[in-house]
Amino acid sequence: NAGVTQTPKFQVLKTGQSMTLQCAQDMNHNSMYWYRQDPGMGLRLIYYSASEGTTDKGEVPNGYNVSRLNKREFSLRLESAAPSQTSVYFCASSEIGTGLTVYGYTFGSGTRLTVV
Amino acid sequence: RKEVEQDPGPFNVPEGATVAFNCTYSNSASQSFFWYRQDCRKEPKLLMSVYSSGNEDGRFTAQLNRASQYISLLIRDSKLSDSATYLCVVNGNTGNQFYFGTGTSLTVIP
Repeated sequence: NAGVTQTPKFQVLKTGQSMTLQCAQDMNHNSMYWYRQDPGMGLRLIYYSASEGTTDKGEVPNGYNVSRLNKREFSLRLESAAPSQTSVYFCASSEIGTGLTVYGYTFGSGTRLTVV
Repeated sequence: RKEVEQDPGPFNVPEGATVAFNCTYSNSASQSFFWYRQDCRKEPKLLMSVYSSGNEDGRFTAQLNRASQYISLLIRDSKLSDSATYLCVVNGNTGNQFYFGTGTSLTVIP
């Protein structure tokens, strides 16, 4: 089925370890996003990529890096994990229409990350 | 001030009831508005876009009030399956940056 695929679904890291969250979409969307969701905070944008070859910081980029590998794939890397990065991470994609109209996001199923 | 604010609820309503959620936003230049639904431990899913003229999709009606900077979602004839968290989403200064409310929890009771 067409959509957004994230891996892994669950991960436990020790403080200081690194890991990369993978995301791929097969809807031919130009824009991709990484969000984190914490209780009482809502979803907050970490990084986004408006199109292949570009990436920009969102609301909470510190401690993360991203790579837009190609039009389909957008990865999120934690270089040195901290307990404050314990969260649920969602990747999303969307298309931008005329006048910057966005036709809604499609989200992946999420990665539940715990840093101990 | 938060970009988007929602009443977190919870709203507990009986089946068949009508329930309304409001969401306020701070950026008067925002152009795109959405309501998303999120079930427990699942990803958010687009429920409906919100257009300037208001729009309806079955039992769901969305309204936008630009003067007061709020959007609303009305659910008529609530079903048990409507139980979820409803997220308000508004775009920021660039078309690519969207801000999510913390969500309003709805439980429909038999």
